[in-house]
Amino acid sequence: EPEVTQTPSHQVTQMGQEVILRCVPISNHLYFYWYRQILGQKVEFLVSFYNNEISEKSEIFDDQFSVERPDGSNFTLKIRSTKLEDSAMYFCASSDEGQNYNEQFFGPGTRLTVL
Amino acid sequence: GDSVTQMEGPVTLSEEAFLTINCTYTATGYPSLFWYVQYPGEGLQLLLKATKADDKGSNKGFEATYRKETTSFHLEKGSVQVSDSAVYFCALSDLGNYGQNFVFGPGTRLSVLP
Repeated sequence: EPEVTQTPSHQVTQMGQEVILRCVPISNHLYFYWYRQILGQKVEFLVSFYNNEISEKSEIFDDQFSVERPDGSNFTLKIRSTKLEDSAMYFCASSDEGQNYNEQFFGPGTRLTVL
Repeated sequence: GDSVTQMEGPVTLSEEAFLTINCTYTATGYPSLFWYVQYPGEGLQLLLKATKADDKGSNKGFEATYRKETTSFHLEKGSVQVSDSAVYFCALSDLGNYGQNFVFGPGTRLSVLP
């Protein structure tokens, strides 16, 4: 069964450093998403991406964040200068354009720890 | 804006007990409703979904019925197992909005004791 994959599973970085979180969505999906979950808190939407551009973003997704689909398979989230409060689990998701377009398939997450 | 409210727990049950986790929502459109489950140390997995009023989603013994009149999507299971211990998230997605992000509830932690 096709699945969304994410790498790395755990990333530790120093405050102020740049990090790139990587995701490989399901191959025939066209819509891509990033969410985050601070430890013990709810899952929060960050950004959605379609047709090589951002379609929607939340207040959390400020200028420190960017997303990119550098090739036909990867979807990345970059945080330019990490802050302590960026420590969270980051989930990538994807969905298709068919009948189930509103069902999103989630990856296993990348745990980001900012020291 | 759209929102999801669910009982916050934690919920602790004995094995074979009946489970109900309440979920209510507010939405401007006609949302699809979902329950996702997060097992310890893992990501989010779709448990079940319903895309229109009176639909019943079911999977692995869990059920939830889309009640438009009460704007609810309560999760139930007749007999829980220790392996059901996880965090359960109710979520909605507005039907008709391509690329619409999900709105998640705060999650309910379930612990099932042997």
